[in-house]
Amino acid sequence: DAKTTQPTSMDCAEGRAANLPCNHSTISGNEYVYWYRQIHSQGPQYIIHGLKNNETNEMASLIITEDRKSSTLILPHATLRDTAVYYCIADVSTSYGKLTFGQGTILTVHP
Amino acid sequence: GAGVSQSPSNKVTEKGKDVELRCDPISGHTALYWYRQSLGQGLEFLIYFQGNSAPDKSGLPSDRFSAERTGGSVSTLTIQRTQQEDSAVYLCASSHTDRDEAFFGQGTRLTVV
Repeated sequence: DAKTTQPTSMDCAEGRAANLPCNHSTISGNEYVYWYRQIHSQGPQYIIHGLKNNETNEMASLIITEDRKSSTLILPHATLRDTAVYYCIADVSTSYGKLTFGQGTILTVHP
Repeated sequence: GAGVSQSPSNKVTEKGKDVELRCDPISGHTALYWYRQSLGQGLEFLIYFQGNSAPDKSGLPSDRFSAERTGGSVSTLTIQRTQQEDSAVYLCASSHTDRDEAFFGQGTRLTVV
């Protein structure tokens, strides 16, 4: 699995967009980028994943740079309930879904 | 239920006792994973099941840890002769296939006293 680097913590005002960066400069061509989040005292929750193209779903958007060395998770209108630890994971598509979690980014959404 | 169910939600045990943690995956999910999360730490992979087979047990920390899965459904993680360092939240996840996103349960908080 490629090593990912994320900021330790970030703040965001409620209603504003939260942009969470992730560096994965050693990512291989067949490795997807996954994002999960963990709200306090809960199990991790899948958010989104992508390979090359930008992706959007009901929760978030994922922007992957053309060289795939970094990506940004965008929560378009952050709410207080989005306060959580956000994990960026690069995984090999040909393997099973073993996830290697790093320390993640603690996102705090303020009123 | 619609999600991954784990039981018990909390377990306090005395050092040296054996414990069993149960995971009911989402119906139809063939892949099942166990992770653990110690206080203030990230999530640590323990074991992966595809059906009833466990092709990857590499994350089990010692031979006191074992897991099984029966009927391609329920899985049990057993810890023998528990130690204080085993105290953690044990999380189970399942996915439709091993290429799909994983759904996690709420975890079992194990405290060894």
